[in-house]
Order: sequence, then structure tokens, then C-alpha cells
Amino acid sequence: QIQLVQSGAEVRNPGASLKVSCEASGYTFTSYRIHWVRQAPGQRLEWMGWINTGNGDTIYSQTFQGRISITRDTSASTVYMELSSLRSEDTAVYYCARWGPYFDYWGQGTLVTVSS
Amino acid sequence: QSALTQPASVSGSPGQSITISCTGTSSDIRGYNSVSWYQQHPGKAPKLMIYEVSDRPSGVSNRFSGSKSGNTASLTISGLQAEDEADYYCSSYTISNTLVFGGGTKLTVL
Repeated sequence: QIQLVQSGAEVRNPGASLKVSCEASGYTFTSYRIHWVRQAPGQRLEWMGWINTGNGDTIYSQTFQGRISITRDTSASTVYMELSSLRSEDTAVYYCARWGPYFDYWGQGTLVTVSS
Repeated sequence: QSALTQPASVSGSPGQSITISCTGTSSDIRGYNSVSWYQQHPGKAPKLMIYEVSDRPSGVSNRFSGSKSGNTASLTISGLQAEDEADYYCSSYTISNTLVFGGGTKLTVL
């Protein structure tokens, strides 16, 4: 069955960086884009960016430009999202989701806490 | 890209119908049929309920339907049930090759 399995919860200090992984299984990895979406506590879903898993092309939300990098390892069917210069407002659950062209499968979410 | 506009909350009694609106612009909803709706229960990942404006994934009840007119998309839930109580989000593809979500609507089943 199709699954997206994300890495576990993280705690970071302000100013640090973060890298969350999303391992896909059950389908041809390079046939679907993977997006990242986050949700701060009690807040709305916020789109962050996507990667074309076939050729590695990326597009990012202007909100995160300069701080975000999405990469993939096709041999491991895994997508990575790296966010730098973390601040307290980045505390959120981060989701990866498969784009088909709609979000048909989601990861379980990774809770990231930014606190000193 | 500003968030799509949704009502913060809607409510209805069991068996009734409700509609949630999602308003965007000519750069997103009006220009594309890639409008989808997601249901999210507390502490859970979102679940796809409607895609491409009005299509339903297999396994989703036919009580859920979607439509679009101009800059506004709508989700209608008929025959409300207690299990429908959740947050609902719309999303749309945009002219910038990005995605945008709505602010979310909390549905309360009275």
C-alpha cells in the first residue's frame, strides 16, 4: 500500500536548522511530486513548497524563500525538507504529501518545536 | 500569495445540509480546476474529500460534493452526521505554479 513515512519529532534552538525526511513506498517514486505543508498549533495549513521527484526541480513559497531547501534521494525514495534560521514561529507539525494533482496521500506529520 | 477565504465556522444539525465557501482570485480558483477539499480531525493528518472541483475519491461518502463558480469554490455536505464534525480546508493551484490553502472552517454538528 502507498505510504509516506516521516522522521520523528525534533526540538531545536532558535537560529538552528532542521531536516525532516519523508520516505515513500508502494508506488513509483519519481512519478509524483512531493509537497511540504505545515500547521502551527491551532492554525491553518500552510503550503511550503514542492519537488519534482523525477528531475529535482523545486518551487518554494515566497514565505520561506531563502530558508527552505527540498531535496530528494531517488535511490532511497526519500524526500528531505530543510529549514534554516529557525524561530519560535516555526513551531508546527510538518507534513509531506503526494501530489496527484491533489494531495491524495499524506505523511503522519513531524512535530517540530523551536524553543530555547 | 494570500490564503483563500473561508468562513471560520459553520454549524448544522444532524440530517441537515451545509455549504462551505472558498473564495480566491483569477490567479487561482477562477483559473484552474485544481481545487480540492480536505477534512482534518484533531491531531490527524488531512484527508482528501474532493478533488478537481467536484470529483470524489473512492471511499468518500456521496454526501460530500463540490462545485465552483468564478472565484469561489464550495463544499456541500448533505445529511450531516456527527462524524463530519472537523476542520475543512480548500486548496487551489495558482498561476505561479504554487499551491494555496484556505484559512480553514470548523464544522460543528449540533
